[in-house]
Amino acid sequence: GDSVTQMEGPVTLSEEAFLTINCTYTATGYPSLFWYVQYPGEGLQLLLKATKADDKGSNKGFEATYRKETTSFHLEKGSVQVSDSAVYFCALTDRGGGRRALTFGSGTRLQVQP
Amino acid sequence: DSGVTQTPKHLITATGQRVTLRCSPRSGDLSVYWYQQSLDQGLQFLIQYYNGEERAKGNILERFSAQQFPDLHSELNLSSLELGDSALYFCASSVAETSVYNEQFFGPGTRLTVL
Repeated sequence: GDSVTQMEGPVTLSEEAFLTINCTYTATGYPSLFWYVQYPGEGLQLLLKATKADDKGSNKGFEATYRKETTSFHLEKGSVQVSDSAVYFCALTDRGGGRRALTFGSGTRLQVQP
Repeated sequence: DSGVTQTPKHLITATGQRVTLRCSPRSGDLSVYWYQQSLDQGLQFLIQYYNGEERAKGNILERFSAQQFPDLHSELNLSSLELGDSALYFCASSVAETSVYNEQFFGPGTRLTVL
């Protein structure tokens, strides 16, 4: 079945540092890929998405590129802020229509220190 | 604010009991998804409804059931509760039954504690 593997956290960075959170996936079909963010005490929010190979999703300074050849969708940000502290989830969904729900990775907690 | 509401926010109950969690989707959304978030299992898909009909099932236990009503709100019923059912339960909604983007909007969750 489909699966998503994320780097384990927590990731602790100083403000303005560069962020990379690795995500790789296994899918039987041709999935759409997502990054969701969960702030403390809140539900998940869609951060960015990509639906085909070489697509780059971006939002709020975060970027991720859909790499079919390496089955990866790594999240990057050039300069993190304290307000970026949250848990980040990589996810996929099967575009073939057979499965409509999201398959999530285990989440990576980011802590940004001032 | 995603527009998805869930009640109650917290629920504390005892083993063997039954509880009902409620979800109201965003205005105009026809699909409702339920997810369970626990420390050991992570975020897992339970079940999806579209316009009142069940559309997909994930790792949902037989002790759990759900339904979507004509006004599109959904309820997740958990019965014969066990300690291991303690988790955060999320509801998400989306416009379509399935789509290339399949963007889902999540509610704030219901935290269930089984003592």
